[in-house]
Amino acid sequence: KAGVTQTPRYLIKTRGQQVTLSCSPISGHRSVSWYQQTPGQGLQFLFEYFSETQRNKGNFPGRFSGRQFSNSRSEMNVSTLELGDSALYLCASSKAGQAYEQYFGPGTRLTVT
Amino acid sequence: DAKTTQPPSMDCAEGRAANLPCNHSTISGNEYVYWYRQIHSQGPQYIIHGLKNNETNEMASLIITEDRKSSTLILPHATLRDTAVYYCTYPPSGNTPLVFGKGTRLSVIA
Repeated sequence: KAGVTQTPRYLIKTRGQQVTLSCSPISGHRSVSWYQQTPGQGLQFLFEYFSETQRNKGNFPGRFSGRQFSNSRSEMNVSTLELGDSALYLCASSKAGQAYEQYFGPGTRLTVT
Repeated sequence: DAKTTQPPSMDCAEGRAANLPCNHSTISGNEYVYWYRQIHSQGPQYIIHGLKNNETNEMASLIITEDRKSSTLILPHATLRDTAVYYCTYPPSGNTPLVFGKGTRLSVIA
């Protein structure tokens, strides 16, 4: 079974721009969660989607948004990028009813200059 | 937020058992403990979870104390590929997301 895939793997953007990251979950998994990982703050939860509905949201500004499609694929968007948004963005999927047994993708490394 | 305490780092000789402790004294009676690991430059990997009984799978064993205030993840025969940061966590309450602390950096030494 194919794992979680994330595209792109690496991205360089300029302050003020916006970016969209994509995540394809494991087949059959309906829940997708997004995390931001930085050396200083560690692994921080952004949001979780289940059946196209946001189920949980972390403590991030409104510039961070996401959505989930009917095929469970998910995207997250960051608008008006700041230098501090440079991070590894990780997506994780899980089966219905097993929300905490999460399977992570390799992440997207975003660098904001 | 869920509070877990783990040693920041540990070393283990290759081929020996690695025993990684975690304190979760504020866990409630029906909350499972989850363990993940993150190998450098990769996404975290789910290892195992448990409630009160000891659990074992192909990757590791999980020993949870009877009072559920702490647990130990055991890698029975550590290899160099087990070098990673290991996270112990549990969902704070209800349908809320997992919180990951700083974890334990395990170095397996040849």
